[in-house]
Amino acid sequence: DAGITQSPRHKVTETGTPVTLRCHQTENHRYMYWYRQDPGHGLRLIHYSYGVKDTDKGEVSDGYSVSRSKTEDFLLTLESATSSQTSVYFCAISDIGRGGGYTFGSGTRLTVV
Amino acid sequence: AQTVTQSQPEMSVQEAETVTLSCTYDTSESDYYLFWYKQPPSRQMILVIRQEAYKQQNATENRFSVNFQKAAKSFSLKISDSQLGDAAMYFCAYGPELGAQKLVFGQGTRLTINP
Repeated sequence: DAGITQSPRHKVTETGTPVTLRCHQTENHRYMYWYRQDPGHGLRLIHYSYGVKDTDKGEVSDGYSVSRSKTEDFLLTLESATSSQTSVYFCAISDIGRGGGYTFGSGTRLTVV
Repeated sequence: AQTVTQSQPEMSVQEAETVTLSCTYDTSESDYYLFWYKQPPSRQMILVIRQEAYKQQNATENRFSVNFQKAAKSFSLKISDSQLGDAAMYFCAYGPELGAQKLVFGQGTRLTINP
């Protein structure tokens, strides 16, 4: 299996605090993605990266920022957490050379109280 | 923009029976990928099956097969001989052929297996 890990697995935070979620891969893949999963919405793209320091916005990027200083690490930051950002967050990597599709991390359940 | 629609929020089937999950999508592209992902209670997202749009033959993986109708933009998943371990959320996804391959997901279908 592709090596991709997310941390933390669970987090509870207070409204207005900054939060950073980490995604780490050992596969040297170029593309990395952050999604959020909400009931009735499936998974929606927040931000993605196509290389070190190369990132772009997805469908639901407001209130989120990302950074990728190394190939293996992709960080998602909530600058000032709000209750609407309570969700499950997934990181993923893609390998078009293997026929497309993603390998996902195990997800982070974030609760903003 | 591409969209993916799963019109069945919930489905149930008797163990050992066959069930079909529906998915439709909208795109103006001619080459692309389609996927079905499974999410059991563990929350892990697991790739079940993929289909390249240029291939006319429907993909199969053991008990899982798809009915890909390109002109109708339909991509249904058939699960044969349903097992208790098949109980999960199932997501249909569309992906472009090249580039960043930003996947677009449907809303999901929760499948229950009745013993």
